[in-house]
Amino acid sequence: QVQLQQCGAELVKPGTPVKMSCKVSGYTFTSYVISWIKQTTGQGLEWIGYIYPESGSTGYNEKFKGKATLTVDKSSNTAFMQLSSLAAGDSAVYYCAIGWARFAYWGQGTLVTVSS
Amino acid sequence: DIQMTQSPASLSASLGETVTIECRASEDIYNGLAWYQQKPGKSPQLLIYNANSLHTGVPSRFSGSGSGTQYSLKINSLQSEDVASYFCQQYYNYPFTFGSGTKLEIK
Repeated sequence: QVQLQQCGAELVKPGTPVKMSCKVSGYTFTSYVISWIKQTTGQGLEWIGYIYPESGSTGYNEKFKGKATLTVDKSSNTAFMQLSSLAAGDSAVYYCAIGWARFAYWGQGTLVTVSS
Repeated sequence: DIQMTQSPASLSASLGETVTIECRASEDIYNGLAWYQQKPGKSPQLLIYNANSLHTGVPSRFSGSGSGTQYSLKINSLQSEDVASYFCQQYYNYPFTFGSGTKLEIK
């Protein structure tokens, strides 16, 4: 069955970057877009952007341009999201999900905590 | 950005009841709407897409309706496993945006 396995929680210092992973299985990795979504208690759910694994083409929410960078490694069926210059407002659970516009399957989420 | 206003913010209902959650978009989204269920400590799960199409494996007691700017999710015969938060999401226009959620509890 379709599975998206995300990496474990990260505790990072302000100003530093973090790179998280999303390893997929149960389908052909290059067939479907992978999207990333941020969830916080205060802001709710926010769509960050998507990547098409076959071509590497990406699309971003303007709010996250310059903050998030999406990449893939086709050899390992893994998608990555790097967040730059982390600040307190970047503390959240980050999900990867299959789909460009609506999200049919989700990973379990990666909790990122930004703290000195 | 299209704003999605969801109501109510919380809801308490009895087992077997029918509940309805509303979502209003700030402009016409032409049925580009999905509903998700998020159980405590879990990731969201797709229930409904294109406003009224049931995702694979979702029980038929869930249904979606609406058009234009007004949409709703109905849950018939409420079950204990339906305790969760529910979110709407528009995908008619970039950036895709979500409602703030409805927390459903059993009375």
